[in-house]
Amino acid sequence: DGGITQSPKYLFRKEGQNVTLSCEQNLNHDAMYWYRQDPGQGLRLIYYSQIVNDFQKGDIAEGYSVSREKKESFPLTVTSAQKNPTAFYLCASSIGTDISPLHFGNGTRLTVT
Amino acid sequence: AQRVTQPEKLLSVFKGAPVELKCNYSYSGSPELFWYVQYSRQRLQLLLRHISRESIKGFTADLNKGETSFHLKKPFAQEEDSAMYYCALSGRSGSGSRLTFGEGTQLTVNP
Repeated sequence: DGGITQSPKYLFRKEGQNVTLSCEQNLNHDAMYWYRQDPGQGLRLIYYSQIVNDFQKGDIAEGYSVSREKKESFPLTVTSAQKNPTAFYLCASSIGTDISPLHFGNGTRLTVT
Repeated sequence: AQRVTQPEKLLSVFKGAPVELKCNYSYSGSPELFWYVQYSRQRLQLLLRHISRESIKGFTADLNKGETSFHLKKPFAQEEDSAMYYCALSGRSGSGSRLTFGEGTQLTVNP
């Protein structure tokens, strides 16, 4: 099944620890995105990347970091600076950033206690 | 700045009834609008986009620039339409285009 793979599906961490969420795509898409999904708030953009070795902050980048060393991979690190990290995280990719439809992964549910 | 508003968090209709999911947007340029859908236990996926002017699964959406709206409509709802629906806008920022989503509307079609 080609597409976008996010792992793990569920992740539990103690407060104060950094945690990295994996996102891999085999669609040969240039652009990749990280969204956070909270009930009643829709999807909010954390970071996005249009090309390898380049990325931009989205609307809620504080407390998060990303890297884009390979075209197929766009890992998201939730740092201890993120004040409310417990959420559902969605990774997506698209052929390009101009009006290209997004293809989403299945998501990772992160719980921080 | 670009913004998408979906005023109804929950919408419940009976099978066979018409359904309209509302979406309003705010954007200074020329927007590209989309509807995404998430069925239970499935990943979020594109339903339709306004530039295609197509009907998908009986759903249509017309961009009304005067009212800054992109409402999703279906004349006869089916139980399998029950899902979470997100309206989204693609607009240019300083670093290329980005997709902004609304808060989502959970549609329930009752038998």
